Amino acid sequence: GAVVSQHPSRVICKSGTSVKIECRSLDFQATTMFWYRQFPKQSLMLMATSNEGSKATYEQGVEKDKFLINHASLTLSTLTVTSAHPEDSSFYICSARVQGAPARYGYTFGSGTRLTVV
Amino acid sequence: GENVEQHPSTLSVQEGDSAVIKCTYSDSASNYFPWYKQELGKRPQLIIDIRSNVGEKKDQRIAVTLNKTAKHFSLHITETQPEDSAVYFCAATAENTGNQFYFGTGTSLTVIP
Repeated sequence: GAVVSQHPSRVICKSGTSVKIECRSLDFQATTMFWYRQFPKQSLMLMATSNEGSKATYEQGVEKDKFLINHASLTLSTLTVTSAHPEDSSFYICSARVQGAPARYGYTFGSGTRLTVV
Repeated sequence: GENVEQHPSTLSVQEGDSAVIKCTYSDSASNYFPWYKQELGKRPQLIIDIRSNVGEKKDQRIAVTLNKTAKHFSLHITETQPEDSAVYFCAATAENTGNQFYFGTGTSLTVIP
């Protein structure tokens, strides 16, 4: 089935630095990638939707200059948390929509990234 | 757009009892409703799904029911086991449109041995 590889799985960074999270689709072309943020035992909060080759669409309240999303190819999307602060500490997870596949096979999650900003 | 609500937010049951989680949706165009189980720090895993042309679906101890008229669907877990403890999410989408999945707020299920 469709697999999305997400790296890193865990990252600790200092306040003020930037962190890049990568999601790669391994055996399919991910024309659309969704980026979520999740707090412990809470739901997935959609941050932005990226389509290959175009600018990401951000959800209300998400700072696009802080959470930079790049989807330059059909197999790679990146989320860069710029000038990270402790309140950015969270679990970030991507998911990809597999074009043309039935929904049950067409929505696959990355393994998530636990970001801790100290 | 679609709005999915999920209840309860937390649920504790004794091992062997049943657990029921309920979701409602607002967009009548939604026709695909998956349920995900997420263990701490891991990716959500699809456990069961239902389409709008079906009222009920069962897979061993897990079942999902859908009431299209009332726009609500429920997850039923019978004979719960400690390994069922996790966060469960419902979702809704209009299949084949390429739309995002709209997730419920999640239910943290604890099965007490």
